[in-house]
Amino acid sequence: EVQLVESGGGLVQPGRSLRLSCTASGFTFGDYAMSWVRQAPGKGLEWVGFIRSKNYGGTTEYAASVKGRFTISRDDSKSIAYLQMNSLKTEDTGVYYCTRDTLITMVRAYYYFMDVWGKGTTVTVSS
Amino acid sequence: DIQMTQSPSTLSASVGDRVIVTCRASQSISSWLAWYQQKPGKAPKLLIYKASSLESGVPSRFSGSGSGTEFTLTISNLQPDDFATYYCQQYNSYSRTFGQGTKLEIK
Repeated sequence: EVQLVESGGGLVQPGRSLRLSCTASGFTFGDYAMSWVRQAPGKGLEWVGFIRSKNYGGTTEYAASVKGRFTISRDDSKSIAYLQMNSLKTEDTGVYYCTRDTLITMVRAYYYFMDVWGKGTTVTVSS
Repeated sequence: DIQMTQSPSTLSASVGDRVIVTCRASQSISSWLAWYQQKPGKAPKLLIYKASSLESGVPSRFSGSGSGTEFTLTISNLQPDDFATYYCQQYNSYSRTFGQGTKLEIK
């Protein structure tokens, strides 16, 4: 069974750091890009960022709201993706989901959609 | 960033009804659109990708159409399990954006 399990959420003070983990099983983790998506309480979904597979450079992209503060990494040997969150703000509060990204390749273009989601982990930034 | 606008924000319907949710993109995204269903306290679930391709295991009463900037999600013969919030999402660029969501309520 394909599964993603997030962990590492909790209560943290503004300005502090937190690292989330996403442990994958049931598929070849290294073949896929992975994304993080968050949802503030009572609000909609916001894409946070993603990391490409090593076959496509293993590079990362981020939403403007987190660029420079958040870092995504991966350990293919352990099938884990990480979200390192620094300089946290109260507006970073929410449920954080990791997702598996399936790639569609066209001529010199790449399109990723999120086909598997974890159940999420809750991050609360408050003093 | 590409902006996605869904309508309506809330939709009231009855079991057995056919409903349509609309999603508009601020610029052309070809067919690079997905639809997700989310129930309270749960993770989103992929329903449709590439505007009209049904994800494996999703009932055939769900269908998607459109291209460019205008897209629709149609749910035929509504079932009790379908009352949830629905989101569209573009993936024309790596900076993926979601619509604000459409809450489907029981009338």
